[in-house]
Amino acid sequence: AQSVTQPDIHITVSEGASLELRCNYSYGATPYLFWYVQSPGQGLQLLLKYFSGDTLVQGIKGFEAEFKRSQSSFNLRKPSVHWSDAAEYFCAVGALEGYGNKLVFGAGTILRVKS
Amino acid sequence: EAGVTQFPSHSVIEKGQTVTLRCDPISGHDNLYWYRRVMGKEIKFLLHFVKESKQDESGMPNNRFLAERTGGTYSTLKVQPAELEDSGVYFCASSQGGKDTQYFGPGTRLTVL
Repeated sequence: AQSVTQPDIHITVSEGASLELRCNYSYGATPYLFWYVQSPGQGLQLLLKYFSGDTLVQGIKGFEAEFKRSQSSFNLRKPSVHWSDAAEYFCAVGALEGYGNKLVFGAGTILRVKS
Repeated sequence: EAGVTQFPSHSVIEKGQTVTLRCDPISGHDNLYWYRRVMGKEIKFLLHFVKESKQDESGMPNNRFLAERTGGTYSTLKVQPAELEDSGVYFCASSQGGKDTQYFGPGTRLTVL
């Protein structure tokens, strides 16, 4: 069965510092991978996705993620964090069973940004 | 273009009562998904509609949950009777094709007392 591990429940970084959020997945085939963000009071917003091709994917708000098959990882990075990035971040893998794309989520990482 | 909308945003009910959650997908999206997040745990898949048909309902926890999508437009998720463990945030998502990106609604926070 598919699974996603986000080992860090909380992360605190200073504004302007770099950020890396870790994500490891378990999936038997080539995965579809996603990062979503949920700001307070908001729904889940897609940051970026990996389906195939270039393993370094660019997303919105200056985020990027790198797919590393050998490490079963899809870590999210940002070179300089802004206070507005404080939110909860979810990594997800698409379980392509049948027609649909049932997503399996990690537990989430809460990002706090200190000024 | 309007995104995925969900109603209500919050619902507080007593144990044993019935609650109906509604989701309006993005116009033209045939695929509609329900997920929920209970007590700060992972967001879990509940079920998937393609138009008005249930494609996958493997995540539905028990027969107290009933989802419908009449006419292939909006969907409802009814919980009857509600139990304390049903408290959580219920998300709806839609996509155009089955393998396309899913766009999520803001969620409905359900509290069962």
